[in-house]
Amino acid sequence: EDQVTQSPEALRLQEGESSSLNCSYTVSGLRGLFWYRQDPGKGPEFLFTLYSAGEEKEKERLKATLTKKESFLHITAPKPEDSATYLCAVQASRGGATNKLIFGTGTLLAVQP
Amino acid sequence: NAGVTQTPKFQVLKTGQSMTLQCAQDMNHNSMYWYRQDPGMGLRLIYYSASEGTTDKGEVPNGYNVSRLNKREFSLRLESAAPSQTSVYFCAGKQGADYEQYFGPGTRLTVT
Repeated sequence: EDQVTQSPEALRLQEGESSSLNCSYTVSGLRGLFWYRQDPGKGPEFLFTLYSAGEEKEKERLKATLTKKESFLHITAPKPEDSATYLCAVQASRGGATNKLIFGTGTLLAVQP
Repeated sequence: NAGVTQTPKFQVLKTGQSMTLQCAQDMNHNSMYWYRQDPGMGLRLIYYSASEGTTDKGEVPNGYNVSRLNKREFSLRLESAAPSQTSVYFCAGKQGADYEQYFGPGTRLTVT
């Protein structure tokens, strides 16, 4: 069964304290791995798509990396505005036109000034 | 461009009442999706429409129906609301197979 597990469930950082969020996945053929940011009371906001092991994507203080079993979201020198829930999702290669995503339960990040 | 829009933002229903959640997109998405988000359970797919004129069940379809009215609009209907359907509902769309999904702002539904 396809599955996505995110850790930790919650993370509290001081401003400027770099860290990483983990997304472990089990899927029969990975078509894509997606990272989203979700602020309270809002819909998920797309951050990155990774397609193959070894791939990396960067955006401001965030860098996403991918291996055959997991993805990391590295946050360098975070600021309070980076506080949010970060969601990971995978899309399996089977399923044809369905393109369904399987989501993890997220990591709640709090960055204190 | 408005992106993906949802109405209403908030709704309170009594058990047994019906309602329709509306979703519209102006991003030329071929595929559209309805999810529910509950604490500790992540986003779960209710129904999806891979293309205009088609709909199919997702992970948790019981108690819901959908209509893909045209390419832009995808509605979710609760025929007889139950307290277990208290949740936050998100609509999403994507352009094609290898594209990311874009989400609407959500509808917070409470069933008493």
